[in-house]
Amino acid sequence: QSALTQPASVSGAPGQSITISCSGSSRDIGTYDHVSWYVQRPGEAPQLIIFEVNKRPSGISSRFSGSKSGNTASLTISGLQAEDEADYFCCSYGGSSNSPFVFGTATKVTVL
Amino acid sequence: QVRLAESGGGLVKPEGSLRLSCAASGFTFSDSYMSWVRQAPGKGLEWVGYINRNGGTIYYADSVKGRFTLSRDNAKNSLFLQMDSLTAEDTAVYFCATGGGYPYYFDHWGQGTLVTVSS
Repeated sequence: QSALTQPASVSGAPGQSITISCSGSSRDIGTYDHVSWYVQRPGEAPQLIIFEVNKRPSGISSRFSGSKSGNTASLTISGLQAEDEADYFCCSYGGSSNSPFVFGTATKVTVL
Repeated sequence: QVRLAESGGGLVKPEGSLRLSCAASGFTFSDSYMSWVRQAPGKGLEWVGYINRNGGTIYYADSVKGRFTLSRDNAKNSLFLQMDSLTAEDTAVYFCATGGGYPYYFDHWGQGTLVTVSS
């Protein structure tokens, strides 16, 4: 499966809201609600921040929210903070076939 | 708390082999699906494969199918990745993670181990 498509970069001022899109296909995002999002800070392992499209793991700020429409998923970060500056990846399940999981191309979030 | 510690990375020549290990603690390993995910230098994440609780079901990415083998030892709370016929395109940090298959996400990650394939 081809990687999901994300914008290379998104930026915003502190306190603003930003949205990162994740474009897939009818074989993955369009069919399954198994979309997850991860944040990765330099030199660190990825961390799960959203699962099953719009659920947050325990301990993740409510400033992070997820949604899906058609073949596209989105991550919104509200009340942007300096600590949110990092790389963000989406991921979708694509069925019990070849390569059932596919990640997005990554979005660098910059806090201005 | 959940801890995943990868080991076994290093420098290997093209066509060579390497075996990665992931030591798990802080959760019931035998109840968890486990996955390997890799990240080439400066690149994005790529799912490599997952294994179910008893090792009876394993899925691989097309890019590693036939060359990589996932296995686990529930008695030793350990996950393994045997990598054969390595190429430069396999150079990456390899992360082990809980999940994949069920649940359909990766909720805990190790810090990764670097594999470099070069002559």
